Amino acid sequence: GQQLNQSPQSMFIQEGEDVSMNCTSSSIFNTWLWYKQDPGEGPVLLIALYKAGELTSNGRLTAQFGTTRKDSFLNISASIPSDVGIYFCAGQLSGGSNYKLTFGKGTLLTVNP
Amino acid sequence: NAGVTQTPKFQVLKTGQSMTLQCAQDMNHNSMYWYRQDPGMGLRLIYYSASEGTTDKGEVPNGYNVSRLNKREFSLRLESAAPSQTSVYFCASSPRAREITTDTQYFGPGTRLTVL
Repeated sequence: GQQLNQSPQSMFIQEGEDVSMNCTSSSIFNTWLWYKQDPGEGPVLLIALYKAGELTSNGRLTAQFGTTRKDSFLNISASIPSDVGIYFCAGQLSGGSNYKLTFGKGTLLTVNP
Repeated sequence: NAGVTQTPKFQVLKTGQSMTLQCAQDMNHNSMYWYRQDPGMGLRLIYYSASEGTTDKGEVPNGYNVSRLNKREFSLRLESAAPSQTSVYFCASSPRAREITTDTQYFGPGTRLTVL
């Protein structure tokens, strides 16, 4: 089945630093999604990418859909304490009756004030 | 809009007990999903319902059953709970409209289940 490798598994950074995380897949996807999960909550969608090569921003967050359709990255600029949480990538290969998501295992981000 | 709601938020069961996790969405979405989240494993799909009246197995369906009661509600049942089913369970929904080729899932707050 499809597998997503998300890295790094965890990051400890100082407030104000930039963060970068990425996901690579063994197969292609049509859609890449990035979610953030706060402690005790469900994942919340941050950015959705629908085209290979697409670069999309949401405030201090920027994500790109890799040109091979097998990878994506998420950057967070000028991190703040509320950025703490687990970040998940998810890939979707839509078509026919298949709209299921494949999730990475997450990147745990800790921001030291 | 409450979005996706789940009940209960927490539950402790003894091995062999049964229970049903409830999920409802008020976004008029067509598709609904049940995931479990375990440390270091990310989110794994248990069952999904592409539309009202249909259900399909996901990656880890063993030990679970589901019911798509109507368009709003999708329940997950554990008939005989086992310690291996200790996990956090998330319900999600997505529009999955016929005229779009992509789909985005929105998640509930989760149910934290412990099986002793």
